[in-house]
Amino acid sequence: KNEVEQSPQNLTAQEGEFITINCSYSVGISALHWLQQHPGGGIVSLFMLSSGKKKHGRLIATINIQEKHSSLHITASHPRDSAVYICAVRGSNYQLIWGAGTKLIIKP
Amino acid sequence: DTEVTQTPKHLVMGMTNKKSLKCEQHMGHRAMYWYKQKAKKPPELMFVYSYEKLSINESVPSRFSPECPNSSLLNLHLHALQPEDSALYLCASSQPWAGGNYGYTFGSGTRLTVV
Repeated sequence: KNEVEQSPQNLTAQEGEFITINCSYSVGISALHWLQQHPGGGIVSLFMLSSGKKKHGRLIATINIQEKHSSLHITASHPRDSAVYICAVRGSNYQLIWGAGTKLIIKP
Repeated sequence: DTEVTQTPKHLVMGMTNKKSLKCEQHMGHRAMYWYKQKAKKPPELMFVYSYEKLSINESVPSRFSPECPNSSLLNLHLHALQPEDSALYLCASSQPWAGGNYGYTFGSGTRLTVV
């Protein structure tokens, strides 16, 4: 079993829909990252969470430390949100433990 | 400046060539990282520099040679690569300590093709 599990692996939705991507982890963490990667592109850090909830524009990220679970929500989704969304956790050292990613496609 | 800048964006090299990838950040981060990413896979950590000293080498072949000339720059020297080394090479930076509000910043990557 992977230490960081994401669901779903693939998600296709219509423009305007509310999107939720989930991340569960089984290790102790100091922080959890949500990252975005467009095809062939670099990685953009969306959020870093150690507790609670963060909001940036149409993106909301929450984390429940007790349940070892985090969610990324996109409100009023748009085709430009189409990308791979990756959950990664940091323990006490330098290493990030990566989820396998969720490929999101938003259709016009 | 809140960016990590990588150059070049694309590189095609022969198996006998010597080339270098460059990474620069001016956020005062004291940890810098090289990752290798193959298509549809998460990035794999190659090297970590902390306070300009190599602290992690994830059993990377010697044809990849990292260098950290100062706290803002990170290089990856390439020599005698194989076609299977073709990948997206990502640089990242962070503070060396975990916790608090200190996250990672990633570059846009160098797409390397070995022919």
